[in-house]
Amino acid sequence: AQSVAQPEDQVNVAEGNPLTVKCTYSVSGNPYLFWYVQYPNRGLQFLLKYITGDNLVKGSYGFEAEFNKSQTSFHLKKPSALVSDSALYFCAVREPGGFKTIFGAGTRLFVKA
Amino acid sequence: DGGITQSPKYLFRKEGQNVTLSCEQNLNHDAMYWYRQDPGQGLRLIYYSQIVNDFQKGDIAEGYSVSREKKESFPLTVTSAQKNPTAFYLCASTYDVGAKFDEQYFGPGTRLTVT
Repeated sequence: AQSVAQPEDQVNVAEGNPLTVKCTYSVSGNPYLFWYVQYPNRGLQFLLKYITGDNLVKGSYGFEAEFNKSQTSFHLKKPSALVSDSALYFCAVREPGGFKTIFGAGTRLFVKA
Repeated sequence: DGGITQSPKYLFRKEGQNVTLSCEQNLNHDAMYWYRQDPGQGLRLIYYSQIVNDFQKGDIAEGYSVSREKKESFPLTVTSAQKNPTAFYLCASTYDVGAKFDEQYFGPGTRLTVT
């Protein structure tokens, strides 16, 4: 069965420092991977996706993610965190051959000034 | 501006009452989805629809019902049979449910509280 794991419930980082939010997945076949961000009491906003090609994907607001097939990971990164990056981040994988997107449980990012 | 609207933002109901959550999109998307979000559990799929007058159950459809009479609209009814209906409900859409690499567009959500 397909699954997505976000091993950290919460990540704390100081403003200006690099940040990483971890995601691992388990799917059969080629994965389509996504990152979304959610601000309080709001819907999810798309950040970036991996379909094929370069393992480093660049997205909105300076975020990027690195696809690692051997480690089945798709970690979200940003070189310099902002206080405004504080939010809930979801990793998701599209079910190959199906119609469902499977979401991780989410990681709350706190960026301290 | 194209997007997805959900109403109301907050909804309070007494136990035993059915309630309908609205979802409308003007993105000309064929596929629409309803998710339930609970703290620490991510998003769980309730129902999805690929086309007008067609919809399929997701992972947690029990106690919920939907309709898709128009392309733009995908209302969700939370029935009295849903044992724990208090949650944050999110509607989403994509251009085509078969386009596996399309990201989903989400509405702002409806927070339902049942007492």
